[in-house]
Amino acid sequence: DAKTTQPNSMESNEEEPVHLPCNHSTISGTDYIHWYRQLPSQGPEYVIHGLTSNVNNRMASLAIAEDRKSSTLILHRATLRDAAVYYCILVGLHGSSNTGKLIFGQGTTLQVKP
Amino acid sequence: DTEVTQTPKHLVMGMTNKKSLKCEQHMGHRAMYWYKQKAKKPPELMFVYSYEKLSINESVPSRFSPECPNSSLLNLHLHALQPEDSALYLCASSQDMGLPSGRPDEQYFGPGTRLTVT
Repeated sequence: DAKTTQPNSMESNEEEPVHLPCNHSTISGTDYIHWYRQLPSQGPEYVIHGLTSNVNNRMASLAIAEDRKSSTLILHRATLRDAAVYYCILVGLHGSSNTGKLIFGQGTTLQVKP
Repeated sequence: DTEVTQTPKHLVMGMTNKKSLKCEQHMGHRAMYWYKQKAKKPPELMFVYSYEKLSINESVPSRFSPECPNSSLLNLHLHALQPEDSALYLCASSQDMGLPSGRPDEQYFGPGTRLTVT
């Protein structure tokens, strides 16, 4: 299964933008890049996903490198509620070895300071 | 309603007990998942059901037995567990495994059942 590498932890100040990086140099052409986050004492929560183009939704933006070997999750204005573990996960299409599977790495623990 | 519910929230069981965890969703999703999460570790996939059939078993010991009685319900039957099986058990669902759309669907997670085996 294709692996992702993320920093163990990051800090941010409240109301400032946060850029969470993810390296996935062995990504295959059919792997989607998914981001989930897990707030303390809760189940993981879907944040955003993309294939090749940058994506925006109400929670965040996803910037994908042209060669797809890395991506960055962008929280435009961090709030205290955004303190969580953020997971970058490669998910394959039907027929690939990682179809339907979320293989969680260690993720990045984001601390947000008031 | 984008909620996945899990019962019970907490469960303590002895190694000789038999118990079941229950998961329910009413989003019309046809794929359902069980994950196990040990303290301070990421979730690990255990089982995937697609259209009520077991699609993926990640080599989980037979003391864990999943069941999908209908498209809204997913159970995990537990028998003769070990103390090292103590963990948070998470259920998730998704539209399907990406078959019609051709892209992987986002998964919706429940809050989990905190299991302690004594």
